[in-house]
Amino acid sequence: AQSVTQPDIHITVSEGASLELRCNYSYGATPYLFWYVQSPGQGLQLLLKYFSGDTLVQGIKGFEAEFKRSQSSFNLRKPSVHWSDAAEYFCAVGARTGGGADGLTFGKGTHLIIQP
Amino acid sequence: NAGVTQTPKFRILKIGQSMTLQCTQDMNHNYMYWYRQDPGMGLKLIYYSVGAGITDKGEVPNGYNVSRSTTEDFPLRLELAAPSQTSVYFCASSLRDYTYEQYFGPGTRLTVT
Repeated sequence: AQSVTQPDIHITVSEGASLELRCNYSYGATPYLFWYVQSPGQGLQLLLKYFSGDTLVQGIKGFEAEFKRSQSSFNLRKPSVHWSDAAEYFCAVGARTGGGADGLTFGKGTHLIIQP
Repeated sequence: NAGVTQTPKFRILKIGQSMTLQCTQDMNHNYMYWYRQDPGMGLKLIYYSVGAGITDKGEVPNGYNVSRSTTEDFPLRLELAAPSQTSVYFCASSLRDYTYEQYFGPGTRLTVT
């Protein structure tokens, strides 16, 4: 069965600094990979996705992510964070789950805190 | 275009009570999903549906039931609520399968005491 690991539970970054959130996945075939963001009290919103092709994908709000097959990673980056980026970030892999269900398998999330 | 709407936003249940969480989407999506999110954890799939009249179990279906009589609605039923069902519940929809973007509702925070 597939799995997703986000090693960092919390990350604190100064406003204007660069950001990298780590994501490692385990899946036997070519994965469908996603990054979602959850603002406090809100549902999840898609930032970007990778299916195939160019391994560097661009998303909304100035985010990008790079797929590295050799490292089973799909890290999220932003060159300069804004206070409004403070949120919970989830990496997910899309696949048929162990029970045969279609759906997303999520990591546990990384809580991003922005310091003034 | 409201997207995915969920009601209620908050609910407190006593152990053994039942309730239905409502979910409606207006994007004519075929696929709909129910997830639960526990503190410090990612979302886990409870049930999903690939179209009206078709539902199937996800990773954590025990204690829940669903139905899909129309394309728009996908209610989640909790029978005999237990403290372990205290969670935030998210409904989502997508045009097709997991390769497509899922659109999430704002969630229902449920407490069972």
